[in-house]
This record gives sequence, structure tokens and C-alpha cells, in this order.
Amino acid sequence: EVQLVESGGGLVQPGGSLRLSCTASGFPFSKYSMNWVRQAAGKGLEWVSYISSGSTTMYYADSVKGRFTISRDNAKNSLYLQMNSLRAEDTAVYYCARGYYYDTISAFDIWGQGSMVTVSS
Amino acid sequence: QSALTQPASVSGSPGQSITISCTGTSNDVGRYNYVSWYQQHPGKVPKLMIYDVSNRPSGVSNRFSGSKSGNTASLTISGLQAEDEAGYYCSSYRSTRVVFGGGTKLTVL
Repeated sequence: EVQLVESGGGLVQPGGSLRLSCTASGFPFSKYSMNWVRQAAGKGLEWVSYISSGSTTMYYADSVKGRFTISRDNAKNSLYLQMNSLRAEDTAVYYCARGYYYDTISAFDIWGQGSMVTVSS
Repeated sequence: QSALTQPASVSGSPGQSITISCTGTSNDVGRYNYVSWYQQHPGKVPKLMIYDVSNRPSGVSNRFSGSKSGNTASLTISGLQAEDEAGYYCSSYRSTRVVFGGGTKLTVL
């Protein structure tokens, strides 16, 4: 079964750090680009970051640039999001999502179940 | 304020057709054929329904279709069914980033 499973979410104080992980199974992880997308409670979807299949290209939303870092370990079928200098407005469910076809940034066909990040004192 | 503009809500009766619009700019929807549409039921993860403006992933019903004219993309659902009641989001590539619409709540009357 094709699957993405996120972990690492939780409660963190403003200014703190958190590292999300996403473990893939059921497909050749190394051949697909990956993304992080977040959704605040009752709000819409917001794209956060992209990484190409071979980690040669990374992109970030303006709202997280300089604070978040995306990375992957193809040997471990894993995607990561290092989040630093967290703010209240980063509170959301964070989804990892697979690019639908080779290194695309524009369409996400497989989504994880989401990991909740709460930034609050 | 979302980068792409969608109507907050649309509604239709079973069997009817509805269209959801997604208005961007010449820097995203108008420039690239990289518009996608997602369906999200309450408490569920988003599901890709349309990619690259008008293509359906395998397994998606042919009742769903996409198109684009200028800076506006559209999702049309024909033969509305109760199970289509959900939130719908458009997205577009915009030079090294992806932008989403604010979402449209579809109610099947």
C-alpha cells in the first residue's frame, strides 16, 4: 500500500524548534519529489516547501523562508521539515505530499494523515 | 487572503452540473498550465482530482473536468452526487512556489 506517515508534531513555545518526519512506503520514494503543505484549523491549504527527488532543488513559501528547512534521506525513505523560530501563525496540521509525476511541484497525489503543530506559550 | 480567488460556496441539486472558478494572475494561472484541484471532505486529507489544468488522475470519475481561460481556471462537476459535497481547492504553480485558493464549499441540495 502506498503510504506516507508523518511524525514529530506537538506543542512548542514561540521561538522554539521542531522537526517533522514523513516516512514513505509502497512506492520508490527516491523517484518522486515531495512537499509539505499545512492547514490551520478551519482554514485552507497553504503550501510550505518542495524538494526534488534528488535533493538538488528546494523551494519555500515566503512565510517560512529562512526559518524552515526541508530535506530528505532516500536511503531511509524519509522526508523532513526542520522548523525554527516558530510563531503562533505556524500552528497547523502539516501534511507531507508526493508529487504526482517526476519532480513536479504542481500536483500532489498522495498525502499523509497530517501532524499537528501547536505554537503557544 | 489567499493568492487565488475562489467563491466561498456553491450549491447544486443531484444530477445537475456546477462550476467552481479559480482566479489568479498572469504570474500563475495565466502563465502556467500547472493548475490542480483537490477535494477535501471534513476531517479527511485532500484528494487530487485534476492536475495540469484538465487531466484526471487514474481512479477519478470522469464527472470531474477542468479548464482554463486567461487567468481563470474552472472545475466542473457534472451529474452531482451527494458524495461530491466537500471542500474544493485550486492550486497553481507560480515561479518556485505553489499558491492555493481559499477553498469552495460545495453543498449538494
